[in-house]
Amino acid sequence: GDSVTQMEGPVTLSEEAFLTINCTYTATGYPSLFWYVQYPGEGLQLLLKATKADDKGSNKGFEATYRKETTSFHLEKGSVQVSDSAVYFCALSFSGYSTLTFGKGTMLLVSP
Amino acid sequence: DAGVIQSPRHEVTEMGQEVTLRCKPISGHDYLFWYRQTMMRGLELLIYFNNNVPIDDSGMPEDRFSAKMPNASFSTLKIQPSEPRDSAVYFCASSPPGPPYEQYFGPGTRLTVT
Repeated sequence: GDSVTQMEGPVTLSEEAFLTINCTYTATGYPSLFWYVQYPGEGLQLLLKATKADDKGSNKGFEATYRKETTSFHLEKGSVQVSDSAVYFCALSFSGYSTLTFGKGTMLLVSP
Repeated sequence: DAGVIQSPRHEVTEMGQEVTLRCKPISGHDYLFWYRQTMMRGLELLIYFNNNVPIDDSGMPEDRFSAKMPNASFSTLKIQPSEPRDSAVYFCASSPPGPPYEQYFGPGTRLTVT
């Protein structure tokens, strides 16, 4: 079945460091891919998405590129802030199927 | 848009009591999802609706759990009777019609059963 694998956390960085959170997926066909962010005590928020190969989703300084050849959708940010501390979820969906398959989440901790 | 609205935000109840969680989806969205999140089990899909009709309730843990969607702007998740192991954060999410089916989550209801 379809699955999403994320790197285990926590990822601990200092402010202004470069961030990469790895996400790979297993699926037949060409899913749409998403990154969600969950701040402490809040619901999941859609951060960015990509719907076809080589698409780049971007938002709030975060970017991710849909790589069909490596079945990956890694999240990157050039300079993290303390306020980016949160749990990040990678997810996928298929056309014709309305549900999302989520990864287990990766906690990011950014220190001043 | 106001986003997905959930109430209450926090609920503390005693074992055996009935609990009702409420959700108002984003206007125009025709899918509604109920999730449960715990440290041990992560994020679990409980049930989802399309155009007010339940499509898949295979994630509902037991018969003690039930969900309804009487109209396009309101859904409830009920637990009767509640047990301590039901303690979790319950999220409602909605999504617009058609792909790519991105979901928009509410702030959640933190349920504590003592």
